[in-house]
Amino acid sequence: QKEVEQDPGPLSVPEGAIVSLNCTYSNSAFQYFMWYRQYSRKGPELLMYTYSSGNKEDGRFTAQVDKSSKYISLFIRDSQPSDSATYLCAMGPGANSKLTFGKGITLSVRP
Amino acid sequence: DSGVTQTPKHLITATGQRVTLRCSPRSGDLSVYWYQQSLDQGLQFLIQYYNGEERAKGNILERFSAQQFPDLHSELNLSSLELGDSALYFCASSVPTSGGAADTQYFGPGTRLTVL
Repeated sequence: QKEVEQDPGPLSVPEGAIVSLNCTYSNSAFQYFMWYRQYSRKGPELLMYTYSSGNKEDGRFTAQVDKSSKYISLFIRDSQPSDSATYLCAMGPGANSKLTFGKGITLSVRP
Repeated sequence: DSGVTQTPKHLITATGQRVTLRCSPRSGDLSVYWYQQSLDQGLQFLIQYYNGEERAKGNILERFSAQQFPDLHSELNLSSLELGDSALYFCASSVPTSGGAADTQYFGPGTRLTVL
């Protein structure tokens, strides 16, 4: 079993839809959870950063962590064509530690 | 723009050859991470350096090596290249956070390596 599993996609939604992206993990040591967005031919950029269980909201984006279920989600409200990208979940146990990434899901938002 | 620079952007070479990829971290960042991204494996951690010292190693092949110089730039050396080494190679940098929190890693634009 991989340490981090992410829905493979791809995912195509109409503009304005609510998008839910999910990852599961197996390593109980993971304490920090991130979502990166990667546009085609670019490096990943940090979108959301959360610690332990709970929700964090930033504009149209909400990151949710459920440590008891080892499950994290990213919700995108009112999705826009500019949200079309690959989204990668990442997680790590603590300071100065490597991140373990999901394989990423490619999202396409149709105008 | 993350502030992390990588050169070259593209590299095309033949099997058996050796190449060097270069990374300059963001100003003030002490840690440099190297990742390999391929379609089937996703983003795989290779190695981390902190202030010139190797800090952590991931799935890095023996044919690959890296170092971080006193000016904090880093180089990833790939030798005896095989077709399967074709991938995107990313460098990321971070500055340690306080309180044990995970570092925020900022990624460069990557180097696309094609081995023919």
